[in-house]
Amino acid sequence: DAEITQSPRHKITETGRQVTLACHQTWNHNNMFWYRQDLGHGLRLIHYSYGVQDTNKGEVSDGYSVSRSNTEDLPLTLESAASSQTSVYFCASSEFSGRSTDTQYFGPGTRLTVL
Amino acid sequence: AQKVTQAQTEISVVEKEDVTLDCVYETRDTTYYLFWYKQPPSGELVFLIRGNSFDEQNEISGRYSWNFQKSTSSFNFTITASQVVDSAVYFCALSDGNSGYALNFGKGTSLLVTP
Repeated sequence: DAEITQSPRHKITETGRQVTLACHQTWNHNNMFWYRQDLGHGLRLIHYSYGVQDTNKGEVSDGYSVSRSNTEDLPLTLESAASSQTSVYFCASSEFSGRSTDTQYFGPGTRLTVL
Repeated sequence: AQKVTQAQTEISVVEKEDVTLDCVYETRDTTYYLFWYKQPPSGELVFLIRGNSFDEQNEISGRYSWNFQKSTSSFNFTITASQVVDSAVYFCALSDGNSGYALNFGKGTSLLVTP
């Protein structure tokens, strides 16, 4: 069955280190998204991509980067991890056709702790 | 500016009661989409229902139903005959052209269903 996976599921790192969170989907979806979930804030958009070589900044993109070299993967990189980036990170994917949008389906999440 | 408001932070009901979760949204687009997602204690995000701005229908899917009213910018969600397994955080989300059709989430409503 097609699915969307995230790895690692849990990560502990130190302030200042570079961290990359992986997201892989097998639905062949054009769109991929990264969100973070924090208490009191709900889920907020970090970056998104409409296809290979396309990336866009979301509401809380500072300190994060993404690259899209193929349809299946959208890795999220924290260039220099900060304690404020301790959060649960969700990846999602969806189809996209013209101005319409399909439902986003979410990965299981990655819990990141920055000490 | 917050685009999705879920005024109910926590709701507690007894099993078999009906429960309605409120969602008020804000958008200037004429084409937009509204979603409800469920996040059980295990943490994953599960898609439940979807509404479209061009198809303002109130529908029923099993024990779930929704009331989409553009005149009041509301997209309320009802669970009929609630069950303990319905205990979760429920998120309402808006997708419109202003955010590249990414999801703008409300802060969630925590539903507790007790036996």
